[in-house]
Amino acid sequence: DAMVIQNPRYQVTQFGKPVTLSCSQTLNHNVMYWYQQKSSQAPKLLFHYYDKDFNNEADTPDNFQSRRPNTSFCFLDIRSPGLGDAAMYLCATSSGDGMNTEAFFGQGTRLTVV
Amino acid sequence: QKEVEQNSGPLSVPEGAIASLNCTYSDRVSQSFFWYRQYSGKSPELIMSIYSNGDKEDGRFTAQLNKASQYVSLLIRDSQPSDSATYLCAVKGGSYIPTFGRGTSLIVHP
Repeated sequence: DAMVIQNPRYQVTQFGKPVTLSCSQTLNHNVMYWYQQKSSQAPKLLFHYYDKDFNNEADTPDNFQSRRPNTSFCFLDIRSPGLGDAAMYLCATSSGDGMNTEAFFGQGTRLTVV
Repeated sequence: QKEVEQNSGPLSVPEGAIASLNCTYSDRVSQSFFWYRQYSGKSPELIMSIYSNGDKEDGRFTAQLNKASQYVSLLIRDSQPSDSATYLCAVKGGSYIPTFGRGTSLIVHP
């Protein structure tokens, strides 16, 4: 089945140790998003790609970076994780063609910082 | 700034009752509206989308949209304990990027 896959499902990293989360999709969608979600909060958009065009949200910390080497894959790099970066990280995709297209989510990666 | 507001709840209903979840949004040019269900520790999954004023029914779920009043609601008929989850409202305004509300926690008790 076509889907959005995130790896790993759970990631434990040490304070300050760089970590990379990955996302792949078989939907051939041109838009890929990274959201951060903390407990009982709305998913917060960090950045998104429309094809190769990278769009960074104004309030996304510089500590967060992203790469999209091709249509299928997208990576979230956290250069120096702090305790406040512990959260669920959600990758989503959409076709981007028009307004009436929904976002499909991967299973998420739960990041713990120790 | 575009805002999507939801009552965080929890909304508690007995099994078999109708659960009514509400969402208001600030961007008047919003055109597309989505309801996602999110179980604890899991990612959101799409339940329904609605684009025109009025009601849209899918099984036990009905989405209602009133653009003049800037609200969208989700009704769940014959609520089941398996419906217990957080329900996220998402809105697309002038761009293809959805804005999410914080969600309403629903508890269906036997």
